[in-house]
Amino acid sequence: QKEVEQNSGPLSVPEGAIASLNCTYSDRGSQSFFWYRQYSGKSPELIMSIYSNGDKEDGRFTAQLNKASQYVSLLIRDSQPSDSATYLCAVNGDSGGYQKVTFGTGTKLQVIP
Amino acid sequence: DAGVTQSPTHLIKTRGQHVTLRCSPISGHKSVSWYQQVLGQGPQFIFQYYEKEERGRGNFPDRFSARQFPNYSSELNVNALLLGDSALYLCASSLQGSGWGGYTFGSGTRLTVV
Repeated sequence: QKEVEQNSGPLSVPEGAIASLNCTYSDRGSQSFFWYRQYSGKSPELIMSIYSNGDKEDGRFTAQLNKASQYVSLLIRDSQPSDSATYLCAVNGDSGGYQKVTFGTGTKLQVIP
Repeated sequence: DAGVTQSPTHLIKTRGQHVTLRCSPISGHKSVSWYQQVLGQGPQFIFQYYEKEERGRGNFPDRFSARQFPNYSSELNVNALLLGDSALYLCASSLQGSGWGGYTFGSGTRLTVV
């Protein structure tokens, strides 16, 4: 079982719609959760972090965390063509005495004008 | 303020050669982590350094080594390069080794092994 799982996509949504990206993780002891955006040929950029159950909103982005279900999601409202990128879910957890951040394989999002 | 600086940006090496990749973290950040990202995959953890000590190592062969200097910059070394080492190598800077607040990545080094 992969430590962090994401659907690779591509997820296609029309401009102005809500894009919903999902992620599950295997380590119940995980403590912090992140979403990174990666444009083609570029390095990942942190867009959201969430540490407790519930929702966290930042502009058009909402991160949702459910530790009981080991599930993290990212909602992008009013999707724009500039949101087209790969979205990486990352989870921080203990790994033999140190904290390690593990990434999923990413979900490719395509926003259609 | 300068962000995370990685050098070189691109590199082409021949199988069997050695390569050194360099990273300077954000000023004030004491931790550097290295990741390998193969095309179409998520970043894979290689090393984590904090306060000049190795904190963790991912599932990579001993051909991979790294170190962190007193100014918190870091080097990643790969010996006896294989074609499969071709990837984007990412340096992640964070205040603490835990990565609690998330990482800031450098622009990466694109390594091609031929």
